[in-house]
Amino acid sequence: KQEVTQIPAALSVPEGENLVLNCSFTDSAIYNLQWFRQDPGKGLTSLLLIQSSQREQTSGRLNASLDKSSGRSTLYIAASQPGDSATYLCAVRVVNSGGSNYKLTFGKGTLLTVNP
Amino acid sequence: DAGVIQSPRHEVTEMGQEVTLRCKPISGHDYLFWYRQTMMRGLELLIYFNNNVPIDDSGMPEDRFSAKMPNASFSTLKIQPSEPRDSAVYFCASTRLAEKLTDTQYFGPGTRLTVL
Repeated sequence: KQEVTQIPAALSVPEGENLVLNCSFTDSAIYNLQWFRQDPGKGLTSLLLIQSSQREQTSGRLNASLDKSSGRSTLYIAASQPGDSATYLCAVRVVNSGGSNYKLTFGKGTLLTVNP
Repeated sequence: DAGVIQSPRHEVTEMGQEVTLRCKPISGHDYLFWYRQTMMRGLELLIYFNNNVPIDDSGMPEDRFSAKMPNASFSTLKIQPSEPRDSAVYFCASTRLAEKLTDTQYFGPGTRLTVL
């Protein structure tokens, strides 16, 4: 059974700092890995998706990497801002022979606070 | 588009009562997902539908939970009878086949359920 772990559970940094969030998964047979952002009282918003054949994806100040063989992914946030404060979740989609498996397994998230 | 719509946003009920959560997916989306989020277990997939047909309900915790999708624009998640341990935030999400390769799921704002 796929398990996804995120470390740390919470992180507090001063504005402007670069930071890294970590995600690990137990089964390397994944289809893709996705990072989401969740604001308090809101749903999830997809930030970056990395296909299993890719090593990284970038969007603005965000960069996500994937090392499938070691079961790890990182989300790098450059020059953090107070508006980045949120919970960040990673999720993996497992491989399914029929290609129809849409199940995502989520980590519990990292609560990020960026202090002005 | 208004996005995924869920109702009610908050529900407080007493143990033993029936609870019905509602979801309207984004128009044109052919996949619909129900998730539950708690502090202890994180975000878990309960069930998902494709073209109104339940595909995988292995995440449904027990027979007290049932989900239906009578048409492409409406789904319900029912808990009968409800128990305090059902207290959680329930999310609905949708996506469409054309976005399969990107796996983007669009989440609703969630329903916060409290069972006393």
